[in-house]
Amino acid sequence: AQSVTQLDSHVSVSEGTPVLLRCNYSSSYSPSLFWYVQHPNKGLQLLLKYTSAATLVKGINGFEAEFKKSETSFHLTKPSAHMSDAAEYFCVVSDPGAGGTSYGKLTFGQGTILTVHP
Amino acid sequence: DSGVTQTPKHLITATGQRVTLRCSPRSGDLSVYWYQQSLDQGLQFLIQYYNGEERAKGNILERFSAQQFPDLHSELNLSSLELGDSALYFCASSVVGTGSTEAFFGQGTRLTVV
Repeated sequence: AQSVTQLDSHVSVSEGTPVLLRCNYSSSYSPSLFWYVQHPNKGLQLLLKYTSAATLVKGINGFEAEFKKSETSFHLTKPSAHMSDAAEYFCVVSDPGAGGTSYGKLTFGQGTILTVHP
Repeated sequence: DSGVTQTPKHLITATGQRVTLRCSPRSGDLSVYWYQQSLDQGLQFLIQYYNGEERAKGNILERFSAQQFPDLHSELNLSSLELGDSALYFCASSVVGTGSTEAFFGQGTRLTVV
């Protein structure tokens, strides 16, 4: 079974300051992990993904995330927030299942709303 | 543009009615997922199809059904609609079995039941 917990429902930062969005996961197998972003009234866009290669993953728009197996975490960071980063962010796990039987099912966290103040 | 097309973008209908939401996946993607997003429930997985066959079921109500056709497009049918079914319905597609199973999402269909 797989699950995702996003530790903060809301995060508020000032423009130009660092962003940290926290995510813990649970998976019975070696999972793939993703971060998606959703701007108001828009669809979900893939920010970055981890698929058992490098543990530090770089994504679009200056975001990156570090996979820490010992802590079962996949936190999303950005050194300097921009006003356009204001959106809702979802941490997602995809567990291959026993013998790869899950067929890529994605499990979403509850989302973190990021607010960026001028 | 993700390459996933959903129609219609908006739908307003009355309680008790039936609607069909349509999804065209990215070219080459065999897997289609349906998700429901509402303010109180967040993003909920409904159902997944892979190459025409149902592969995984989530929190999908019995009033809802889906199918994937030979050309790989998918339809989500919602019947006996209730006010609580008002939500944003997303379709996503992915290539499964490549070791990198990220899904690409459409823009969603916003359903309003009045």
